[in-house]
Amino acid sequence: EAGVTQFPSHSVIEKGQTVTLRCDPISGHDNLYWYRRVMGKEIKFLLHFVKESKQDESGMPNNRFLAERTGGTYSTLKVQPAELEDSGVYFCASSYNPLAGGPNEQFFGPGTRLTVL
Amino acid sequence: AQTVTQSQPEMSVQEAETVTLSCTYDTSESNYYLFWYKQPPSRQMILVIRQEAYKQQNATENRFSVNFQKAAKSFSLKISDSQLGDTAMYFCAFMKHGLRAYNNNDMRFGAGTRLTVKP
Repeated sequence: EAGVTQFPSHSVIEKGQTVTLRCDPISGHDNLYWYRRVMGKEIKFLLHFVKESKQDESGMPNNRFLAERTGGTYSTLKVQPAELEDSGVYFCASSYNPLAGGPNEQFFGPGTRLTVL
Repeated sequence: AQTVTQSQPEMSVQEAETVTLSCTYDTSESNYYLFWYKQPPSRQMILVIRQEAYKQQNATENRFSVNFQKAAKSFSLKISDSQLGDTAMYFCAFMKHGLRAYNNNDMRFGAGTRLTVKP
């Protein structure tokens, strides 16, 4: 079974440009999460989708970030316009939804390393 | 708000020896989960071990075990018989226990500990 995939693996853009990151979750996983790790810091939660709906977007830094999950499948995270402080590694994770108990183990993608110059 | 602290940015250990990675957390929740994730160089982050807060018994997975001290809010990871393949970034993570079918199980992570296993 394919794991969580992310595209691109690396992106280098200039300040003011737009970048779109893509995440393909594991098939059948309703939950999709975006996280970001700025160099040397902790991994921080950005937002959570349940199917196509945003369950929680409290971690989104500002309105330059826009996440979508069309049809409840893959998700995109667009940064427009990009700023220097947006540099970091963006992780996507997915989990399925058992109806009873237990943590929904999150499976992570390899991340997209974004560098804004 | 929950916070997770990993006070050791880098550690190293000789192959076949034992190493312990520290993690402390802060929460007012009584029921939650704790995790250790491992990210090898240029590879995906994978789950190493999980602990439910309501369980007193420490979780173990082969060479990996935890020392969970709920009162002290401490969750350390012990790696026994270290192998070269254990070289990775290790993240400690916290997740609240959710009561709804669709839980907001977002995780709170520490800054990570870079572990190097030396031959």
